[in-house]
Amino acid sequence: SQQGEEDPQALSIQEGENATMNCSYKTSINNLQWYRQNSGRGLVHLILIRSNEREKHSGRLRVTLDTSKKSSSLLITASRAADTASYFCATDALVFQGAQKLVFGQGTRLTINP
Amino acid sequence: EPEVTQTPSHQVTQMGQEVILRCVPISNHLYFYWYRQILGQKVEFLVSFYNNEISEKSEIFDDQFSVERPDGSNFTLKIRSTKLEDSAMYFCASTRALGLASAQYFGPGTRLTVL
Repeated sequence: SQQGEEDPQALSIQEGENATMNCSYKTSINNLQWYRQNSGRGLVHLILIRSNEREKHSGRLRVTLDTSKKSSSLLITASRAADTASYFCATDALVFQGAQKLVFGQGTRLTINP
Repeated sequence: EPEVTQTPSHQVTQMGQEVILRCVPISNHLYFYWYRQILGQKVEFLVSFYNNEISEKSEIFDDQFSVERPDGSNFTLKIRSTKLEDSAMYFCASTRALGLASAQYFGPGTRLTVL
């Protein structure tokens, strides 16, 4: 399977610290995306990194991609209580007519302690 | 900012009943998807839909499931005869561009509970 697998499964840090989550996958990808999910809510798109990119930034988020190792990391700097959520990586496979099937990992449950 | 909307937010049904989950994708998007997430498990792809037809469906998407875009705005998922194991969060998503480097935008989900 193509899936992304995140590690750690759970991460608890103090507010203001940086949080790093990792994702590994098995097959070639077009893009890798990171999503956030607050408890019982929908998935919020955070950032997309293309397979030919190595690093991307968006605000306090920094994503890296190493296609040789089939891995990605998401760094959240200066964490806030509102960052408490589950974070998922999702890899894609283009299917018929250009549709994009996402394969999600299990997620990292991030808790920011005040 | 445009967003994907879904109704209802929570649906409770009896086993064997039919349910229809509704989604309104972002208006200029071309590709539509359904995913589901059983409690505590991964988000799983169900089906993708483009140009009024199914592009891809997963093994989960058996004959009990169907999708439809009945008009220019709605996108529905129907489960004909619900089973206990269909209890999950169902997410609709859409993308604008033709595949490459397109973020998928998800709705808030419908929590389906089958009793």
